[in-house]
Amino acid sequence: AQTVTQSQPEMSVQEAETVTLSCTYDTSESDYYLFWYKQPPSRQMILVIRQEAYKQQNATENRFSVNFQKAAKSFSLKISDSQLGDAAMYFCAYIPNTGNQFYFGTGTSLTVIP
Amino acid sequence: DTAVSQTPKYLVTQMGNDKSIKCEQNLGHDTMYWYKQDSKKFLKIMFSYNNKELIINETVPNRFSPKSPDKAHLNLHINSLELGDSAVYFCASVGYTEAFFGQGTRLTVV
Repeated sequence: AQTVTQSQPEMSVQEAETVTLSCTYDTSESDYYLFWYKQPPSRQMILVIRQEAYKQQNATENRFSVNFQKAAKSFSLKISDSQLGDAAMYFCAYIPNTGNQFYFGTGTSLTVIP
Repeated sequence: DTAVSQTPKYLVTQMGNDKSIKCEQNLGHDTMYWYKQDSKKFLKIMFSYNNKELIINETVPNRFSPKSPDKAHLNLHINSLELGDSAVYFCASVGYTEAFFGQGTRLTVV
């Protein structure tokens, strides 16, 4: 069975600083996708960043980047120059290439301190 | 043009009632999901459908029944609502590279 684990229920960061959110996953698949989703208080689920498992290069989207360690099954999200609008729940998610199972971690609540 | 349309956004109802939440996607995806998000924000898979066929049915009371008339629609019907059913329910349409979510339905059972 595939599982996604986020070991940090809550994190906080000073505005303009950098924060890293952790995620580990368990799978027997070799080809899959990993995601970070953001859920602000509006409760809309917003895709932050995506990583294909077959790509060694870490994905980057502006201030957001990931550290993907396939052997360790680790997928952390780094937010640089944190902004107040980054405050939200962040969910790590996994889907195998077959596309039939989309699982989320338990979420990390990020607070940005002005 | 909304990719995943989920209605209603809010639903308040009394215990024992039967209610439905509708979900429609215009992305052409074959796979759709229903998730329940509890007060601790945990997103739990309830059901997954692939091209109108049930793929995943997690441990969910049989009062919950998904209905997929075609691959663009996956509705959730709930019978005999209980207080513990209060939560936010999300519909999602899943492609190989991303999941698109509806706006969520906040269900409150009183």
